[in-house]
Amino acid sequence: GESVGLHLPTLSVQEGDNSIINCAYSNSASDYFIWYKQESGKGPQFIIDIRSNMDKRQGQRVTVLLNKTVKHLSLQIAATQPGDSAVYFCAESSSNAGGTSYGKLTFGQGTILTVHP
Amino acid sequence: EAQVTQNPRYLITVTGKKLTVTCSQNMNHEYMSWYRQDPGLGLRQIYYSMNVEVTDKGDVPEGYKVSRKEKRNFPLILESPSPNQTSLYFCASIMTSGGPPSTDTQYFGPGTRLTVL
Repeated sequence: GESVGLHLPTLSVQEGDNSIINCAYSNSASDYFIWYKQESGKGPQFIIDIRSNMDKRQGQRVTVLLNKTVKHLSLQIAATQPGDSAVYFCAESSSNAGGTSYGKLTFGQGTILTVHP
Repeated sequence: EAQVTQNPRYLITVTGKKLTVTCSQNMNHEYMSWYRQDPGLGLRQIYYSMNVEVTDKGDVPEGYKVSRKEKRNFPLILESPSPNQTSLYFCASIMTSGGPPSTDTQYFGPGTRLTVL
């Protein structure tokens, strides 16, 4: 498939280990954050989101942590599987005047996760 | 089947020849957006639309136009394409009404690979 990950940060883990992917965001006004997974040759896939009034949110095998003080976001994947191998992006957004969370979305550079059997 | 479709999937064109990449969704979503993806730069938002006849610039709108005359369609128009618009383009749609965002309401299209010679 087409490579979109040249010079991206990489993380290699063994199957069954826990993975932590980090993201620094820049806009103090951002109040909504999303993690996406992108497999080779496919479009991004929503994983989990979190609003700025929360510090932590859990999904199925995934947890997102938000530290607004240092503008840092992390994605934790428990018991990582080979199918988790992909590029992971964080995205930030500011609520618009209408109150919905989706306005202008700004994506991070991405991190390549490789899971070895 | 709920989906976002993009056409064409692949396009090679020459500088200055106007082109349109279509995006259509069958889920009655309000929010639609266009992104470009380049190696090492992640996804960058070009334009987004909160609803019919409501569009706004993303991070990299220069050289692009969009329209939202009906809810299901959000075409991306390159009036005079240039080589620096060679990229992988993704359209996305999101349901923004009815409460907080959820994993069931975000969809990305399969991508359009554009080469401008």
